[in-house]
Amino acid sequence: GENVEQHPSTLSVQEGDSAVIKCTYSDSASNYFPWYKQELGKRPQLIIDIRSNVGEKKDQRIAVTLNKTAKHFSLHITETQPEDSAVYFCAASKRGKLIFGQGTELSVKP
Amino acid sequence: DGGITQSPKYLFRKEGQNVTLSCEQNLNHDAMYWYRQDPGQGLRLIYYSQIVNDFQKGDIAEGYSVSREKKESFPLTVTSAQKNPTAFYLCASSGGGQGFSQPQHFGDGTRLSIL
Repeated sequence: GENVEQHPSTLSVQEGDSAVIKCTYSDSASNYFPWYKQELGKRPQLIIDIRSNVGEKKDQRIAVTLNKTAKHFSLHITETQPEDSAVYFCAASKRGKLIFGQGTELSVKP
Repeated sequence: DGGITQSPKYLFRKEGQNVTLSCEQNLNHDAMYWYRQDPGQGLRLIYYSQIVNDFQKGDIAEGYSVSREKKESFPLTVTSAQKNPTAFYLCASSGGGQGFSQPQHFGDGTRLSIL
């Protein structure tokens, strides 16, 4: 079945620096790739997503890139702020079923 | 999202007891999902339903059961067969319906513990 690997598991950056989180997926038929942010004890919230017919998508300080050939996709956060500190999850989907990565705990130090 | 309501927020289960977690949505979404999240872990799919009166097992369905009698409701029962039920349970819905991937929106979750 589908498997999604996410790296790194923890990431610490200084405020204002960039952060990059990477995911690989196993099923080449996956066609939808969302990213979620989860603060401690709260629900995951969708922050950006990309479909397989697009290579890159940007929303203010957040961008996602997709390489279908290599089956990997990445989240880029620029000009990080302390409120970006949270756990971030990538996911891959085929026919409506999401498979999540293990998560990356991002810490932004002021 | 305000459109997905999970209850209760906290739930305690006694040995040998079945408990039911509620999930209701008013977003008119066709698809609904149940996930389990353990501390420091990702989300694992328990069951999902892409249309009323139909549902499929996810990756960890053993010890759980669901029903989808109404479009807006997708209750999850944690049975006594689930030997390690302590976890954070999240319900989600999406407008994708039959096999089409759309963004999933989550409820606030139910935290289940064993007494």
